[in-house]
Order: sequence, then structure tokens, then C-alpha cells
Amino acid sequence: QKEVEQDPGPLSVPEGAIVSLNCTYSNSAFQYFMWYRQYSRKGPELLMYTYSSGNKEDGRFTAQVDKSSKYISLFIRDSQPSDSATYLCAMSGGGSNYKLTFGKGTLLTVNP
Amino acid sequence: NAGVMQNPRHLVRRRGQEARLRCSPMKGHSHVYWYRQLPEEGLKFMVYLQKENIIDESGMPKERFSAEFPKEGPSILRIQQVVRGDSAAYFCASSPQEMGYTGELFFGEGSRLTVL
Repeated sequence: QKEVEQDPGPLSVPEGAIVSLNCTYSNSAFQYFMWYRQYSRKGPELLMYTYSSGNKEDGRFTAQVDKSSKYISLFIRDSQPSDSATYLCAMSGGGSNYKLTFGKGTLLTVNP
Repeated sequence: NAGVMQNPRHLVRRRGQEARLRCSPMKGHSHVYWYRQLPEEGLKFMVYLQKENIIDESGMPKERFSAEFPKEGPSILRIQQVVRGDSAAYFCASSPQEMGYTGELFFGEGSRLTVL
């Protein structure tokens, strides 16, 4: 079983839709959970960061962490064509917080 | 925008040659991390360096790969005697301190290595 599982998609939605992206993980030592956005041929940029369980909201983005189920989600409201990118979940913990374990990424396309 | 600078952006090497990838961290950042993204795979941690020190190289292949972050100049990831399986995007990231509560690594745009 991979440490982090993420559905690679691709996911295609119309503009204005609510998008749900998810990851599951197996390592119970993970405490820090992140979502990165990566445009084609670019480096990842941090979107959301959450420590332990709970929800975090930033504008149109909401991150949720359920440590009991080892499940994290990213919701995008009122999706825009500019949101079209690959979304990577990442997590770390267990004393090596700098060592991020990434999912493979989900390719999202928002159609105008 | 003085972000993380990586060069070259694209590098083509023949099997057996050496590849050198350079990374200049963001201004004020003293911690550098290298990650590799293989085709159809997620980003994988390779090495964590501070100036003149390798802190954690647990993700580096034992042979042919080395990394340094000298007192002056960029961090360098060196791959000797490249093989086709080394073809990947290599990303450098930096942080002002060991990645702590902010969880933020600032990534460069990557160096894409193709081995013929």
C-alpha cells in the first residue's frame, strides 16, 4: 500500500462548479497536511496548510483533514478556468517535517 | 520576483555523461531541499541541505548522486554516469528555516533532465 493515494483524474468540470479533491494515507505519524497547485511545466506552489485534524478556509478553497479516517480533502468553490492545474496533496510528520510525501496529483480542467 | 532559481531548465545528456543541476534559494533562505518527479509519479524527497551541511540524504540513490550547498554559490545536484531511468524533473525548494509550522516550501520551476 502506497503511503499516499490520490486519484490522478483527469477531472473536468464547468466553470462555477464545486470541485472536491481527495487523498488517503496510511502513515499515522503524519501531522502536517498540505495542498499544492502545479501549473504545467512549473513548480508546485502551496495553496493550503493544515496541522492535525480540522477544517481551514481561504477564499474559495477549503481544506479538511480527518485523521481518524486518514483522509484529506480540498474543496474549490466557484471554480474558474484559472484553477486548471494539477493539485498535489502532501503530508509530513514523525520528526522529519521537511520530508514531504506527495500524492501523484489530480489534473483538473475547468471549462469556461 | 527573486524566487527559487534553477538552471538549466532543460538538460539533455547521453548515457554515461554527468548532469549538474543548480539551485539558488530565495533571498534569506538557508535551507534547501531537492525533490525528483519521475514520469507518472509523485514528487519524491531526495536530500535536505543547509549551508555546507547535508542534513538528510535518505532519499538519494546510494550511487552516482551527490548534492552540496557550499558557503558561497548555489546548491548543486550532481548525477554521474546518467542512465535513462534518471530522466525526470528535479525540483529544488527552499525555506527560511527548517520547515516548521508554516509548512511552506518555495519551489523552483524545475530542471528537466532527458537521458538519451
